[in-house]
Amino acid sequence: AQKVTQTQTSISVVEKTTVTMDCVYETRDSSYFLFWYKQTASGEIVFLIRQDSYKKENATVGHYSLNFQKPKSSIGLIITATQIEDSAVYFCAGGNYAQGLTFGLGTRVSVFP
Amino acid sequence: DTTVKQNPRYKLARVGKPVNLICSQTMNHDTMYWYQKKPNQAPKLLLFYYDKILNREADTFEKFQSSRPNNSFCSLYIGSAGLEYSAMYLCASSRRTGANQAPLFGEGTRLSVL
Repeated sequence: AQKVTQTQTSISVVEKTTVTMDCVYETRDSSYFLFWYKQTASGEIVFLIRQDSYKKENATVGHYSLNFQKPKSSIGLIITATQIEDSAVYFCAGGNYAQGLTFGLGTRVSVFP
Repeated sequence: DTTVKQNPRYKLARVGKPVNLICSQTMNHDTMYWYQKKPNQAPKLLLFYYDKILNREADTFEKFQSSRPNNSFCSLYIGSAGLEYSAMYLCASSRRTGANQAPLFGEGTRLSVL
């Protein structure tokens, strides 16, 4: 992707509820991949989930799922049954393997008991 | 071992001195990336190797060099560090083919230039 935009700077939620994060991308490619990563308190960036542009079904892994709306160039992340340890910065990224990934600025999620 | 390893974890450098950062992986990944991450900014792609082919971003072309002597190792070299190079440097690797593949990141090297 040439550009990835995450407009939500921070979100606070109560434990065990659902949080949704937005991400909009711009790309000239006909085939591309979209990813969500989580940055832990130590700074480590951990891969969460991936969506292939040619797939219509929304990807789901554990309590992470995606809301892929291709006509809107949107790839939202949904975390259900949040836990305290889900508190982190979440990055949306897009691109293809020939160009590397472009990241958004990130959304800080704080989960409170 | 399914991790990307980076050395050192912390690096202190003087302005004008060279810096060499190391990354390794044993997953037989064909692509290795270097990103720069500053606080409150998005990770920025600096360059990446696909096999032995180096691709460098246009705006960082002259600031960073890299080598990949074999499939497992990749280095990032700064010839003359400036204060603006202080950042977290993240190495990632991936395989271009295969379902559910994604670039996996190392723990990063935090570089402080004084």
